[in-house]
Amino acid sequence: AQSVTQLDSHVSVSEGTPVLLRCNYSSSYSPSLFWYVQHPNKGLQLLLKYTSAATLVKGINGFEAEFKKSETSFHLTKPSAHMSDAAEYFCVVRGRSSYKLIFGSGTRLLVRP
Amino acid sequence: DVKVTQSSRYLVKRTGEKVFLECVQDMDHENMFWYRQDPGLGLRLIYFSYDVKMKEKGDIPEGYSVSREKKERFSLILESASTNQTSMYLCASSLRREPDTQYFGPGTRLTVL
Repeated sequence: AQSVTQLDSHVSVSEGTPVLLRCNYSSSYSPSLFWYVQHPNKGLQLLLKYTSAATLVKGINGFEAEFKKSETSFHLTKPSAHMSDAAEYFCVVRGRSSYKLIFGSGTRLLVRP
Repeated sequence: DVKVTQSSRYLVKRTGEKVFLECVQDMDHENMFWYRQDPGLGLRLIYFSYDVKMKEKGDIPEGYSVSREKKERFSLILESASTNQTSMYLCASSLRREPDTQYFGPGTRLTVL
């Protein structure tokens, strides 16, 4: 069965420092992986999507994620955090059905001034 | 821009009441979804609809039903609300050809007293 594990429930960084949000996945076949972001009082927004093309995926707002099959990881990074990045981030894997998304438990990112 | 709207941001109901949550999307998407979001659990799929009057159960359909009479509108119904249905409810939609790229509404926070 497909699953994702987000390794940190909360991450705190200073503005201008790098961001690393960790995600490991489990899949019996080549996975499709996603990162979504949820800002306070807003719906989820797709940040980026991996579908077995390039292993390094660039998303919106300067975020990127690298698919590492050997480590079963799909970590989200950003070189320099901005105050507006404070939000909850969800790592997601597509299930066996093409419409089925399986969400991680979320990582709340706090950005300190 | 895809827009998914939900009828209420906040809703307070009493145990045993029948509750309707409405969702409308304006991009002619074939697929629509209802999720509930609980802290530490991520999002869990309640129901999925791939066409008018068509529906499939998700992971946690018990206590819920849905209605899709028009393509743009998908309703979630709590037949007899219970306190354990207090949660954030998120609606999403997607194209049939790209079912895993889902667009989310802002959510309805339902409290059942």
